[in-house]
Amino acid sequence: GESVGLHLPTLSVQEGDNSIINCAYSNSASDYFIWYKQESGKGPQFIIDIRSNMDKRQGQRVTVLLNKTVKHLSLQIAATQPGDSAVYFCAEASRESGGTSYGKLTFGQGTILTVHP
Amino acid sequence: GAGVSQSPSNKVTEKGKDVELRCDPISGHTALYWYRQSLGQGLEFLIYFQGNSAPDKSGLPSDRFSAERTGGSVSTLTIQRTQQEDSAVYLCASSLYRMMGYTFGSGTRLTVV
Repeated sequence: GESVGLHLPTLSVQEGDNSIINCAYSNSASDYFIWYKQESGKGPQFIIDIRSNMDKRQGQRVTVLLNKTVKHLSLQIAATQPGDSAVYFCAEASRESGGTSYGKLTFGQGTILTVHP
Repeated sequence: GAGVSQSPSNKVTEKGKDVELRCDPISGHTALYWYRQSLGQGLEFLIYFQGNSAPDKSGLPSDRFSAERTGGSVSTLTIQRTQQEDSAVYLCASSLYRMMGYTFGSGTRLTVV
């Protein structure tokens, strides 16, 4: 079936370094992608999203890159801080059959980011 | 409310008992979702409500699971005859119609003993 997966289950970086978290997706119909951050004991928190008509989108210290040719998504975090330590999930969605709206999100397994001071 | 509220935050139940988990979405959000997260795993879709449309129940793992949404607001997820494999964190999220990046609650941690 369709799935979204992550290349690296864990990532350790030093404070101040840049972090790159990768994600592969297999549903070619997916046209909306989101990155979430989940801290221990909390629900996932929206970070940034991107639609398939774009290949790059920037937020505050974060950038999402989308390569539709190879079905790859990445999240770049600049000047990583200890507070960025969390599990990061990518998620994808496609428009509901015959419609223009989106339904459920399909999530990857997550990458654990650990930032060392 | 300011965010998505879920209750209880923790629930321990005996195998075979029924449980009800509650979700209060953000006021005005027409879409409501339930997901399940097992320890160290990603999020597994369960059910999705959008306005007055028929819910998408395609993720419910068995007929022991059901959910309803009353008045387009509060939702209850019911698990009948709980099994140990039902132990997980149950997350609820809501979003504005046709707008994604939905907001999650903190979840209900269900432990079946």
